[in-house]
Amino acid sequence: KAGVTQTPRYLIKTRGQQVTLSCSPISGHRSVSWYQQTPGQGLQFLFEYFSETQRNKGNFPGRFSGRQFSNSRSEMNVSTLELGDSALYLCASSLVPEKTGTEAFFGQGTRLTVV
Amino acid sequence: DQQVKQNSPSLSVQEGRISILNCDYTNSMFDYFLWYKKYPAEGPTFLISISSIKDKNEDGRFTVFLNKSAKHLSLHIVPSQPGDSAVYFCAASEGGQFYFGTGTSLTVIP
Repeated sequence: KAGVTQTPRYLIKTRGQQVTLSCSPISGHRSVSWYQQTPGQGLQFLFEYFSETQRNKGNFPGRFSGRQFSNSRSEMNVSTLELGDSALYLCASSLVPEKTGTEAFFGQGTRLTVV
Repeated sequence: DQQVKQNSPSLSVQEGRISILNCDYTNSMFDYFLWYKKYPAEGPTFLISISSIKDKNEDGRFTVFLNKSAKHLSLHIVPSQPGDSAVYFCAASEGGQFYFGTGTSLTVIP
């Protein structure tokens, strides 16, 4: 069974540009969550999608947005990039998010560098 | 507000000794707790978990303890091996929503 796939693995963008990251969850998983990891901040929750609907959102500015498609694949978009957006962006999928005992499975992440 | 906290950013342990990683949480509604291990340039991988109805779960060299009254979670690794050197994140779940700590970097010295 294929794991969570994130593309691209590495990205370099200039301040002010926008970027789109992609995540393909494990087959059958309908919940996809996005996290930002920066040194000293751990994993900061961005948002979670389930059945094409955003169910939960973290404390990030509106420049950060996402969507989920009918095949559960998800994209995350960041507009007007700032230097502080440089981070590892992780996507996680889970099977039945409401059920206790469900683990989240992570992709390898996309390393975004804003210069 | 950080609902899951790992107050030790780093920990060094001699090979063969016990590693104890700690985690505190504030939300009494959390019903499932997990530990993830992360190597550089890779995503976190699931390590071990525990339900809120238990106080201990063991899997080989890894044991997770849960003290609900103290809202405290710990991961014991014994014996520690150099390959255990990684960043460890604790996480708590409520209704499927995951909350992560900031991570503890474990270094096992050969």
